[in-house]
Amino acid sequence: SYVLTQPPSVSVAPGKTARITCGGNNIGSKSVHWYQQKPGQAPVLVIYYDSDRPSGIPERFSGSNSGNTATLTISRVEAGDEADYYCQVWDSSSDHVFGTGTKVTVL
Amino acid sequence: QVQLQESGPGLVKPSETLSLTCTVSGGSISSYYWSWIRQPPGKGLEWIGYIYYSGSTNYNPSLKSRVTISVDTSKNQFSLKLSSVTAADTAVYYCARYAAGGRDGYKSPVDYWGQGTLVTVSS
Repeated sequence: SYVLTQPPSVSVAPGKTARITCGGNNIGSKSVHWYQQKPGQAPVLVIYYDSDRPSGIPERFSGSNSGNTATLTISRVEAGDEADYYCQVWDSSSDHVFGTGTKVTVL
Repeated sequence: QVQLQESGPGLVKPSETLSLTCTVSGGSISSYYWSWIRQPPGKGLEWIGYIYYSGSTNYNPSLKSRVTISVDTSKNQFSLKLSSVTAADTAVYYCARYAAGGRDGYKSPVDYWGQGTLVTVSS
């Protein structure tokens, strides 16, 4: 089965840049989506098809995908960005796969 | 604005069947794929399965033997049944919609989620 690996946690100071990685075998050949989940809430789509942003998502959120790693970048981090973040792909053999999740802490 | 709302018992006994329904409002269930996703307390997201409005389904292999997802287009609802539950099935269960309509919509991201409902398996 296809596995997506994320760092358990990332800490970042306000105003700085957070980078959250999502590792998978040849993930660059797949489309990656990213979700933000705040405590007690349902996930929210923040990046889709590697680098597209849904309407209403700040430009501070961006994504890239190449080789064996996809990356979600949050620029000029704010306190409100503190949340869990999950990557997700569709794989022909495993169907829908979510990453292990990364907790972003704003210092 | 599409809205999804899960409903069903919050407590299920071990070995029994968990049953949940998702009611879709603000849009038609037709032409889209719909999914169930769960999250055990303090853990990550797990895809359970999806259904097309026409009734075709696909399930997570790890749960396939116990899962049934069905759709009722007349009521704009779809449902989840998970049999022979154990404590490991305790989780928040979300219903969700895939963003793209049409036959390949299941490959698209999830754009709408229900608020989630906690189901506890305990005697």
